[in-house]
Amino acid sequence: QKEVEQNSGPLSVPEGAIASLNCTYSDRGSQSFFWYRQYSGKSPELIMSIYSNGDKEDGRFTAQLNKASQYVSLLIRDSQPSDSATYLCALLGYSGAGSYQLTFGKGTKLSVIP
Amino acid sequence: DGGITQSPKYLFRKEGQNVTLSCEQNLNHDAMYWYRQDPGQGLRLIYYSQIVNDFQKGDIAEGYSVSREKKESFPLTVTSAQKNPTAFYLCASSPSGNQPQHFGDGTRLSIL
Repeated sequence: QKEVEQNSGPLSVPEGAIASLNCTYSDRGSQSFFWYRQYSGKSPELIMSIYSNGDKEDGRFTAQLNKASQYVSLLIRDSQPSDSATYLCALLGYSGAGSYQLTFGKGTKLSVIP
Repeated sequence: DGGITQSPKYLFRKEGQNVTLSCEQNLNHDAMYWYRQDPGQGLRLIYYSQIVNDFQKGDIAEGYSVSREKKESFPLTVTSAQKNPTAFYLCASSPSGNQPQHFGDGTRLSIL
């Protein structure tokens, strides 16, 4: 059973600060990792993908992957109130017979305080 | 506009009734998925299809059925056997099974 663990929060940060969201996973065979943002009452939106160890930056977002420690994180610099949402960590793993499945964590709720 | 369209946005089911949720995509994606989300929970996979006329059960397939007769369409039927159907249902698609998934706007199903 693949497991993805996230701190449920809520994580509160002041506007302009760095928000750090963390995720650990159990399946060492996972190759692809994703962060989705989900606003209240809405569907998830893909914001970052990371496939190899190290950092990947996209604007104010940085994803970090450490496969040896089975750890992936998302940093949001200069946090804005519009970043307030639930952030879902997901990993893509091979499930056999040519099939792949995405396993989601339960999400971390982020609140950015003006 | 290219995208994934789910309908209806809200749906109410009576006891003993089957209901069907629609999911259509015009992205030319091969793979399509159905997830269920309960309050405070992550997404759980119901069914997925990586090619037309083929689909596989996910983690919580009991009480649900699907079909994939066309590449663009992957409808989900919530049968009367699903005793706790109240949830937010999300359809997703990806170009192939090992690529990122993108979601439709979802359907909220409630029991009357």
